[in-house]
Amino acid sequence: QVQLQESGPGLVKPSGTLSLTCAVSGDSISNNYWFSWVRQPPGKGLEWIGEIWHTGSTNYNPSLKSRVTISIDKSKNQFSLDLNSVTAADTAVYYCVKNGWYSLDSWGRGTLATAS
Amino acid sequence: ENVLTQSPGTLSLSSGERATLSCRASRSVSGNYFAWYQQKPGQAPRLLIYDTSKRATGVPDRFSGSGSGTDFTLTISRLEPEDFAVYYCQQYGGSPLYTFGQGTKLEIK
Repeated sequence: QVQLQESGPGLVKPSGTLSLTCAVSGDSISNNYWFSWVRQPPGKGLEWIGEIWHTGSTNYNPSLKSRVTISIDKSKNQFSLDLNSVTAADTAVYYCVKNGWYSLDSWGRGTLATAS
Repeated sequence: ENVLTQSPGTLSLSSGERATLSCRASRSVSGNYFAWYQQKPGQAPRLLIYDTSKRATGVPDRFSGSGSGTDFTLTISRLEPEDFAVYYCQQYGGSPLYTFGQGTKLEIK
């Protein structure tokens, strides 16, 4: 069964770039899956950020599209999130996810990123 | 954006009771690509139901999903102590591709 683990700095300065990586184990990232990033501000609901296919094709949430880049490194079996120009509103737990059938079926444990 | 509105915001029930959670979409959900998640404090969400009514791997059969168009329901037939959590609905399609409801908190009465 696929497992996902997020990593990255827990603290980002306002106006800086938040960079996170998701290590995938138990399956090859080159198999036919989409992988997503989802975030959850403290005490609030879920927001889908975007997704990537193993070819590098991406889809983003229009509300974040101008600030987001999702990339993939097949040699390391991982994918990454870059979010630039961060503000306090970007403080959240960030989850990496393997997509399922029009749903999000395997989630990492999440990592808290704070803009301060 | 297809906005999802969940009701009620909080549901207070006892173990053994039946729980009915609702989610209404602002536009019809294409292909009925609709899912439900359970989230417990300090944990990641867990997929329960996908494709409106299909249970994810390992999900007990007391969980069931139904609906079509703009109205969807998650039913828990007999609540177990481990079922008290926050539940989110999610639809696929449109822009953004995935949107979530604001959540229903199922609490012990």
